[in-house]
Amino acid sequence: GQQLNQSPQSMFIQEGEDVSMNCTSSSIFNTWLWYKQEPGEGPVLLIALYKAGELTSNGRLTAQFGITRKDSFLNISASIPSDVGIYFCAGGFTSGTYKYIFGTGTRLKVLA
Amino acid sequence: KAGVTQTPRYLIKTRGQQVTLSCSPISGHRSVSWYQQTPGQGLQFLFEYFSETQRNKGNFPGRFSGRQFSNSRSEMNVSTLELGDSALYLCASSSTTSGNTIYFGEGSWLTVV
Repeated sequence: GQQLNQSPQSMFIQEGEDVSMNCTSSSIFNTWLWYKQEPGEGPVLLIALYKAGELTSNGRLTAQFGITRKDSFLNISASIPSDVGIYFCAGGFTSGTYKYIFGTGTRLKVLA
Repeated sequence: KAGVTQTPRYLIKTRGQQVTLSCSPISGHRSVSWYQQTPGQGLQFLFEYFSETQRNKGNFPGRFSGRQFSNSRSEMNVSTLELGDSALYLCASSSTTSGNTIYFGEGSWLTVV
C-alpha cells in the first residue's frame, strides 16, 4: 500500500526537549494533517494545514506545509511525558473527495 | 457534540466468514471514509462515501465493500475473511464546514483466526 516517508521512525527524548519530525512525498497534496495515536485508540487530529508555506501552532505543537507541497514538518516544544504516542502525517487529495495518504508514523517516547 | 462512533469495538471471526462494521459520523458530517491499519502496511485508505455514493476507492480486493445510508451512517463489509484481514478498521467523517479535515473514531479491532 501507499505510504508517505516519515522520519524519524522512533525517538527517545528527555522531558523538556524539543522534537522535530517530517514527512515527504513524491506527490503534491492540497492538505496536510497531523495526528497522534495512543495504544488502542483512533488517531486524534492535532493540526491541519491548507496552504503551501502555512505555519500553524496548537499549544506546544507547530506544523508547516512545505512550499513544494510535497512535505510537511511537525515540531513539539518542551516535551512532556504525555506526548508519548505515535504521530502520523497525512497528505490529502481533497478536491471532490476526502482521500488521505498516511505516513509511516513516528513513535515518540519521553523519558522523565 | 458526539464524535465518530464505531461498533463493535472488538470482534473475532473465523477464516471464510464475513463481517460487518458500523460507523456513525459526527452529526452533520456527510462524508464517511474507512481505513485499515496494520503493523505492516500502516493506515491504508479503503473507500469514501458522500451522500450515499462511493466517491473514491482504495486498492483493496472486491471482498471489501461499503455503503452509506441516508442518515450518513455507514457500514463496511468484508466477505470470505482471510488471516491477513486482521486489523484495526477506522472510520473517519468530514464535512465541508470542517475544512478538509477528517475525524476518526476509536476503531473496530478485527481478529481473524
